[in-house]
Amino acid sequence: GAGVSQSPRYKVTKRGQDVTLRCDPISSHATLYWYQQALGQGPEFLTYFNYEAQPDKSGLPSDRFSAERPEGSISTLTIQRTEQRDSAMYRCASSLAGGYQETQYFGPGTRLLVL
Amino acid sequence: AQSVTQLDSHVSVSEGTPVLLRCNYSSSYSPSLFWYVQHPNKGLQLLLKYTSAATLVKGINGFEAEFKKSETSFHLTKPSAHMSDAAEYFCVVSDDTGRRALTFGSGTRLQVQP
Repeated sequence: GAGVSQSPRYKVTKRGQDVTLRCDPISSHATLYWYQQALGQGPEFLTYFNYEAQPDKSGLPSDRFSAERPEGSISTLTIQRTEQRDSAMYRCASSLAGGYQETQYFGPGTRLLVL
Repeated sequence: AQSVTQLDSHVSVSEGTPVLLRCNYSSSYSPSLFWYVQHPNKGLQLLLKYTSAATLVKGINGFEAEFKKSETSFHLTKPSAHMSDAAEYFCVVSDDTGRRALTFGSGTRLQVQP
């Protein structure tokens, strides 16, 4: 696609429910990233994919968080048994090949509110 | 480990006056440095990036930044602020350790007064 898209744009859920967020990267991009942005803070790295491989999960805050990219294109981020502290903006980005000098292109984000 | 410090959480300028947003970084390896801008209800947009070529980097919308290794700084400047520049600005670092994550500063909110 022309840019990175994310859905839904807003999600309100109750504590204890599972949520799944979706990211559709730029079509030619091999590398996809997930970030979490708390209110008033900069985004923080969660995980990334190189095609369908997930080399780095080090930023996932707990085992309630998981991500997948089974066909190397669209990715989902799932949060199980949501807690109020999971409320944040979740941002997806993609880059051409994952080099450290490459630009990461960001989507509009999904704002998650856990009540 | 890499880190970024944005020295001002809020900056207010008058339209037509210069803008200076300050950023200091820490990186054990050769860093790449970026400035991203975030307008309300929109995604993060790249303003400019430094990747070990010229130390003075020009970006979009008249912004530029200078990489100063001796001062570990990458301050963002613009000669004349426009109302449309009002947004949140993030200084970002990545390095060649093989970790793909970007490390963001906490952001500087720029207000432009008429």
